[in-house]
Amino acid sequence: QSVLTQPPSASGTPGQRVTISCSGSSSNIGINSGYWFQQLPGTAPKLLIYRDIQRPSGVPDRFSGSKSDTSTSLAISGLTSEDEADYYCAAWDDSVAGWVFGGGTKLTVV
Amino acid sequence: QVQLQQSGPGLVKPSQSLSLTCAISGDSVSNSNVVWNWIRQSPSRGLEWLGRTYYRSEWNRDYAVSVKSRITINPDTSKNQFSLQLNSVTPEDTAVYYCARDNNVRGNHIFDYWGQGTLVTVSS
Repeated sequence: QSVLTQPPSASGTPGQRVTISCSGSSSNIGINSGYWFQQLPGTAPKLLIYRDIQRPSGVPDRFSGSKSDTSTSLAISGLTSEDEADYYCAAWDDSVAGWVFGGGTKLTVV
Repeated sequence: QVQLQQSGPGLVKPSQSLSLTCAISGDSVSNSNVVWNWIRQSPSRGLEWLGRTYYRSEWNRDYAVSVKSRITINPDTSKNQFSLQLNSVTPEDTAVYYCARDNNVRGNHIFDYWGQGTLVTVSS
């Protein structure tokens, strides 16, 4: 049971825009920044979004983050088959003094 | 270019200790702008942060509550690496273990470099 709650799956067609949600609480996303990672099969997670909305250098602007109260969201526009991956949200949780993650969302581009 | 190279056994017996090392190139384990983490991933537990070490005038270590009684993360400045030791392992500790750098410049947390991952199986 993950501390942050994500839908297990999401799907979209090429070119479409998809949004993945992540629900937390007042001890994590409510007072700390949200983070998003992309994980391709057999590889380590890759940071897509930090501090709710910031993109590390090299991450396309098709990926965007937002936050509202105790939830954060990742939007992916202009979907391509290369976006098929697992997506994880994360945040620092003050109640456990550690990083917590969502259970992951498997994105399928059909 | 920073690289993190993990090493350690892929099979550990129940009740024994799991030991992994993360060798750093292109950065220093003593860099006061970064934090060095261990994270694991399993089908049953998902992604789970285990702990971290970092240097800010002195060495600091933080551990996840779930493993706090069993875990030690140590920096090794002579070899520019850091290690994970997890004691009294059970099959529940079977997972892919990752080391990762958290680039903490300007208060941001940018997990920008990861090790290749090590599958550790706990089995007799």
